[in-house]
Amino acid sequence: SQTIHQWPATLVQPVGSPLSLECTVEGTSNPNLYWYRQAAGRGLQLLFYSVGIGQISSEVPQNLSASRPQDRQFILSSKKLLLSDSGFYLCAWSDPLAGDSGELFFGEGSRLTVL
Amino acid sequence: GQNIDQPTEMTATEGAIVQINCTYQTSGFNGLFWYQQHAGEAPTFLSYNVLDGLEEKGRFSSFLSRSKGYSYLLLKELQMKDSASYLCAALDSNYQLIWGAGTKLIIKP
Repeated sequence: SQTIHQWPATLVQPVGSPLSLECTVEGTSNPNLYWYRQAAGRGLQLLFYSVGIGQISSEVPQNLSASRPQDRQFILSSKKLLLSDSGFYLCAWSDPLAGDSGELFFGEGSRLTVL
Repeated sequence: GQNIDQPTEMTATEGAIVQINCTYQTSGFNGLFWYQQHAGEAPTFLSYNVLDGLEEKGRFSSFLSRSKGYSYLLLKELQMKDSASYLCAALDSNYQLIWGAGTKLIIKP
């Protein structure tokens, strides 16, 4: 069966510090991968998605970046965090063979607080 | 602009029925999803509708009216574990998901 895992689950970082969130998927090949941010009282915001190694699409211009060094690994990074980066970050995957109506499978989430 | 509207919070009683509404305005439409999200956890898939009508799945049903830009999630025989946020999301013409802010459902005994 397929599983998705992201870490760390929680982190508190000072403004200006770097960030690295990691996500891995097991039990499937060539998944579509996504990074979302969920702010209180707002809908999920798509940050990045990837359809393959090294292929990253950015949806929102900001100080975050994403990389996909391996087929089932997706990393969210920042060189200098802002207060506005605080939120709940969710990694997700979908099966490209399921088409665009395929459901998203989410990781456990990472709660980031920037102070 | 694109927009998803759903109530912020609803309260219902254990054993009862509750209907959570969602209206959407998107550039094109390729289907609507409902997800359940317990506090502090990841969303999990509940349903997908692309054609008009009602889709029933156990205690949960989802309805779609494309002409009205409207969907609802119906939860029957409510249980305490159904206390969660319910997220509505529509696929636009570019197959991008547009998410609502979620409806927090509180179940009282």
